[in-house]
Amino acid sequence: EDQVTQSPEALRLQEGESSSLNCSYTVSGLRGLFWYRQDPGKGPEFLFTLYSAGEEKEKERLKATLTKKESFLHITAPKPEDSATYLCAVPGGANNLFFGTGTRLTVIP
Amino acid sequence: KAGVTQTPRYLIKTRGQQVTLSCSPISGHRSVSWYQQTPGQGLQFLFEYFSETQRNKGNFPGRFSGRQFSNSRSEMNVSTLELGDSALYLCASSLNFRQGYNEQFFGPGTRLTVL
Repeated sequence: EDQVTQSPEALRLQEGESSSLNCSYTVSGLRGLFWYRQDPGKGPEFLFTLYSAGEEKEKERLKATLTKKESFLHITAPKPEDSATYLCAVPGGANNLFFGTGTRLTVIP
Repeated sequence: KAGVTQTPRYLIKTRGQQVTLSCSPISGHRSVSWYQQTPGQGLQFLFEYFSETQRNKGNFPGRFSGRQFSNSRSEMNVSTLELGDSALYLCASSLNFRQGYNEQFFGPGTRLTVL
């Protein structure tokens, strides 16, 4: 059965304190791994798609990487506005996404 | 380019009633998926429509249904509402060049509260 596990569940960082979020997956035939950011009461905002092991993508202070078993979302020198829940997902079928439970990030000024 | 829009944004219903939610995808996107998000279960897939056909369905009871129109707009309906149906209902659209390889873009959601 396909599984996506994210850790930690919650993370508190001081502004400027870099860290990484983890997304480990067990799927039969990876067809992409997606990262989203979700603010409270809003829909998830698309960040990155990674398709193959070794691939990396960057956007501002965020960098996503992919191995054969997991993906990392690295946050460099975070700011308070980076506070959100970060979700990873893998395709679970024809065109649906199977989501992890997310990491709730809080960046303290 | 306008994003995915969902109406209404907030709904309050009572048990036993039914509700219809609406979603307009990004222009040119032909696939529309619906998800339910709750604090306990997270984001769970409800169903996906492409060219007015339901292609994929999640593990939800038959009270949850949907449809898609020729302009790709979609509606979902929940009949005989239960307290446990209180959730954020999210719609996502994608281009769907290849199944399973497409980024999905989400709307702001409809917050449904069942009393």
